[in-house]
Amino acid sequence: QKEVEQNSGPLSVPEGAIASLNCTYSDRGSQSFFWYRQYSGKSPELIMFIYSNGDKEDGRFTAQLNKASQYVSLLIRDSQPSDSATYLCARVYNQGGKLIFGQGTELSVKP
Amino acid sequence: DAGITQSPRHKVTETGTPVTLRCHQTENHRYMYWYRQDPGHGLRLIHYSYGVKDTDKGEVSDGYSVSRSKTEDFLLTLESATSSQTSVYFCAISESTSGGVGETQYFGPGTRLLVL
Repeated sequence: QKEVEQNSGPLSVPEGAIASLNCTYSDRGSQSFFWYRQYSGKSPELIMFIYSNGDKEDGRFTAQLNKASQYVSLLIRDSQPSDSATYLCARVYNQGGKLIFGQGTELSVKP
Repeated sequence: DAGITQSPRHKVTETGTPVTLRCHQTENHRYMYWYRQDPGHGLRLIHYSYGVKDTDKGEVSDGYSVSRSKTEDFLLTLESATSSQTSVYFCAISESTSGGVGETQYFGPGTRLLVL
């Protein structure tokens, strides 16, 4: 069973709207998470990481971690067409810094 | 941007031939990783290294070997390439594995490999 699940999408939102991307995980091991953005044909780039319960904000991005319900989400406020990309959720797997990635959610922001 | 380069960036090879991909970093980070990315599977860890000559297997290591003789270089070898190894290969580096921002992995530009 894959440990990190994401809806592959595509998720389509209009420009200026809030995009909500979700990721669920299956056990109560390490609960440190990273969100990456990946443009088509490019490498993943870090958006933010979160390891404490609650919200973490960085500019237009807010990551939310709910350990009791075992999900982590990424909100993008005032979505722009340039936010159109695949968003990858990754979880630290035990020790050694290994990451387990979800399959990614494709986001399309329509002008 | 993290100083990570991968070579070659594109390669076409034939089934049964050995292939070596190189990852080079200028950040002096201790930890290095090789991933493959395939549609529907996301990124999957092949091998990783936690220091010079210290490596370990990831979740999809069969058919791959790695070597790290210097901090800055991490080589991935496909011992006898198969069509199932057609993929995009990413190298990543991290400063630490002890939690927090230092655990962040930064990715190289990727290598597109086609095995015919």
